[in-house]
Amino acid sequence: DAKTTQPPSMDCAEGRAANLPCNHSTISGNEYVYWYRQIHSQGPQYIIHGLKNNETNEMASLIITEDRKSSTLILPHATLRDTAVYYCIVRVLGGGSNYKLTFGKGTLLTVNP
Amino acid sequence: GAVVSQHPSWVICKSGTSVKIECRSLDFQATTMFWYRQFPKQSLMLMATSNEGSKATYEQGVEKDKFLINHASLTLSTLTVTSAHPEDSSFYICSARQGLLSYEQYFGPGTRLTVT
Repeated sequence: DAKTTQPPSMDCAEGRAANLPCNHSTISGNEYVYWYRQIHSQGPQYIIHGLKNNETNEMASLIITEDRKSSTLILPHATLRDTAVYYCIVRVLGGGSNYKLTFGKGTLLTVNP
Repeated sequence: GAVVSQHPSWVICKSGTSVKIECRSLDFQATTMFWYRQFPKQSLMLMATSNEGSKATYEQGVEKDKFLINHASLTLSTLTVTSAHPEDSSFYICSARQGLLSYEQYFGPGTRLTVT
C-alpha cells in the first residue's frame, strides 16, 4: 500500500472549516483514499473514501487532486467534538481475504472554542 | 452504520494471568475480523487477521502463542492474552468487515488492558 504523509497536528476554530491535507505521491491507479478518525480512547470511525472524484457525505468532503497525489479532507463546520486524530490511508478496495487497513501517525486536529 | 462491540471495556489483571477480550458484530456477519493494539500516543498496530472458521494470520513480530485468537462464528472473535505481563498493557481494538469486497471496516470501542 502507498504511504501517506500528514501534518502531525492542526488547529481550527469552532464553526470554521477544517481542511486536513494528505500527500500520497506513490498512489497506484487502483488504490482508494480512505479517511478515518479516532477520538481519544475510542475506536476509529470511518469518515469517507474516494478514488478520483470528489466525494461528499454527511460528515465531510474529500477533494482529490487530478493527479491523485494528494487529497484534502474538509469538515465544513468544525465542532469541539471533531477534535480527534485523523488518519489518511490509501489501499486497494477489497484486497481479498487478508484485507488490511494500515494506520500511520495521522493528524491531531484540535478544534478550539 | 454497523456496530461492533467489545467486552470488557477495561480490565486490570495480575502478571502471569490470562485475559480474554470479546469482539462482536451486532447487526452484521463479519467474514473477517482484525485485532489492533495501540500504545499511548502511538498509532494502531495490526496484530492479526482472522477469518471465520480459519486460523488467524499474525503480523510479523506478534507471538501467536501469546495472543490467541478465535473466530468461531460470524459474529464473535476473541483475543486471549496469555501469561500477561506489564508490557502487554495497551489499548486493544477489534475491527470487522462484512464481506471480501466491503470497503468499510467497522471498529469496536476498544479494551484498555492494564497488567500489574
